[in-house]
Amino acid sequence: DIQMTQSPSTLSASVGDSVTITCRASQTVSKWVAWYQQKPGKGPKLLIYQASRLESGVPSRFSGSGSGTDFTLTISSLQPDDFATYHCQQYSSKPVAFGQGTKLDFK
Amino acid sequence: DVELVESGGGLVKTGGSLRLSCSAPMFVFSSYTLNWVRQAPGKGLEWISDIDGRGQASYADSVKDRFSLSRDNDKQSVSLQMNSLRAEDTAVYFCARSLAVTDSFDIWGHGTKVIV
Repeated sequence: DIQMTQSPSTLSASVGDSVTITCRASQTVSKWVAWYQQKPGKGPKLLIYQASRLESGVPSRFSGSGSGTDFTLTISSLQPDDFATYHCQQYSSKPVAFGQGTKLDFK
Repeated sequence: DVELVESGGGLVKTGGSLRLSCSAPMFVFSSYTLNWVRQAPGKGLEWISDIDGRGQASYADSVKDRFSLSRDNDKQSVSLQMNSLRAEDTAVYFCARSLAVTDSFDIWGHGTKVIV
């Protein structure tokens, strides 16, 4: 099974900052990585799929990159609504697997 | 907006059973794979089961032989039968939609809490 190692587990930032979250797969997953945002008491929301494709309706300050085993989610010019937990996921092969999550909070 | 709605969570004793449901009234249900993902308190997301449009189900090792997933395309719903529940099954259970068994999950429900 493929494991996803996500870092950091927590990240403190301020409104207007740019932040990057990374995910590393235990073996190559090509471009089959998604990123999700989750707020307390809610289900996750799809932000990015196929490593870099922005889901419809997601602001362009969110971007994803990477291929193979190393992937990043970048949020530029943080807005108050962006403080949440972010998860990566590989869906190259079953069982699909998620990273452990990154909580983005106010500095 | 397209929505998934989970129900059936609750408090159950170790060794007991519970049946979760996920309904999806607003899209062509039979075209999609439906997944269950759980999140234990303070932990990350764990995929546990999926069922494709033809009704073929698969399971994570952690729930295999204890959980069973079925779907009713006419009623636009899926049901997760959970037996022999353990303390480690305590989690919020989410239903999520994907186009295929290996694809991103584009729609999620709000989750239903199970406490064992």
